[in-house]
Formats: sequence, C-alpha cells, structure tokens
Amino acid sequence: DQQVKQNSPSLSVQEGRISILNCDYTNSMFDYFLWYKKYPAEGPTFLISISSIKDKNEDGRFTVFLNKSAKHLSLHIVPSQPGDSAVYFCAASGAGGTSYGKLTFGQGTILTVHP
Amino acid sequence: KAGVTQTPRYLIKTRGQQVTLSCSPISGHRSVSWYQQTPGQGLQFLFEYFSETQRNKGNFPGRFSGRQFSNSRSEMNVSTLELGDSALYLCASSSPGDNYGYTFGSGTRLTVV
Repeated sequence: DQQVKQNSPSLSVQEGRISILNCDYTNSMFDYFLWYKKYPAEGPTFLISISSIKDKNEDGRFTVFLNKSAKHLSLHIVPSQPGDSAVYFCAASGAGGTSYGKLTFGQGTILTVHP
Repeated sequence: KAGVTQTPRYLIKTRGQQVTLSCSPISGHRSVSWYQQTPGQGLQFLFEYFSETQRNKGNFPGRFSGRQFSNSRSEMNVSTLELGDSALYLCASSSPGDNYGYTFGSGTRLTVV
C-alpha cells in the first residue's frame, strides 16, 4: 500500500528551464509535506515543506504547490541548474501519536539537468 | 553546527550475525528516527525515539530494535541478519519548531553476505 507515489522515475531538463516534479498521495490524514534531495551514498537533504493549510510555499528557486482536493503536490525548480541533478523524494507526515518521527516517502524521481 | 553523525559508514556482516549501528543527532535535537533504504522498497520508517522512549514503530520484524540514551544518541540493532537486511540505514533528528525538517545523516551501508 503505497501512500505516497512519484509516478515519474526520471526527468530530464535543460539548464535554465523549469523542472516540475510531481507527487500524489492517498492518505487524507497527512498534514505536512516535504521535499528532499538525495545524492548517492548520502542522506536526504531537506529542501522545502508545506503545511496542508496552505497551497503554495516558495523558497528561492524552489516552490511547492499543494492541491488537497486532488491529493497532489508538485515541486517547481526555476531556473534549473546542473547542480540540481539528484534524486528528489516527496515525503508526507501526519498528525498525532502514530506519526511521531514518521515520514512516508515516495519512490523518488531522478532529475538530470543538462548544461 | 555539526550534523547528524552515523557510524560506521560501511559494514559487512554474515547471515545470522547481529549488528549495532550508531547515530548522534544534532545537538539539542531530542527526536531520532531510523529508516531503511533498499532499491525495492525505497525509504521505510523503522522507529522513532524521543527522550529515551520509543514513540513510534514501523512494520519491521522484532529482529530490528533500537534505543536512545540520555544524551539523545541512538543505536539500532539487527539480530539474526538475513540477506534481505542489506540496505542503507539512515537516521534523522529533529527538534520541535523545525517544521518537520528532519535532518538526515549520511547513513550506514550494511551488506549481509
């Protein structure tokens, strides 16, 4: 039962263009969503998050959009840079005791930004 | 500030053995979570500790256990290792007010042969 899904295993974009990474979830109890970036042999690095009470959060080149009715969120990177090439994970967290410390991750999307 | 430190970075064990992995959280962080990453299952939650108490546990067999010390350092133990336990084990720490921005360590790569 995969509650967080990233349906695109990979994405390739040109430097300077927009990268859009998508994520769908099924559990309506999730109340916080996060994006992480990961390089091989390293731990995930936190990028940006959004609360379920918002529909948009922006931090520099990164913007996350949340559509609660569609149970869908996306990460926009503008402009994309070659250093953004990595695996991007969408993660979700719920509220309350059964969610302490628990992030539910998607399978990840490999982003490649070409110079 | 220092990040989350996991030791060792790499480990090779034989089936049937047991292993202990260590995680030192960011100073002041009292919550430590553990995750297993495999190519087939992705990143999966193992358990979370806060102030030496396990508050949450994922769907893993009892061979997987952990503990947290008074200084917030945490260890996880896997007994009777199986080939399928080969994975990258990650720990993450957080503090109230971090807006769920868990900080991960670089992980311990465990290979069971």
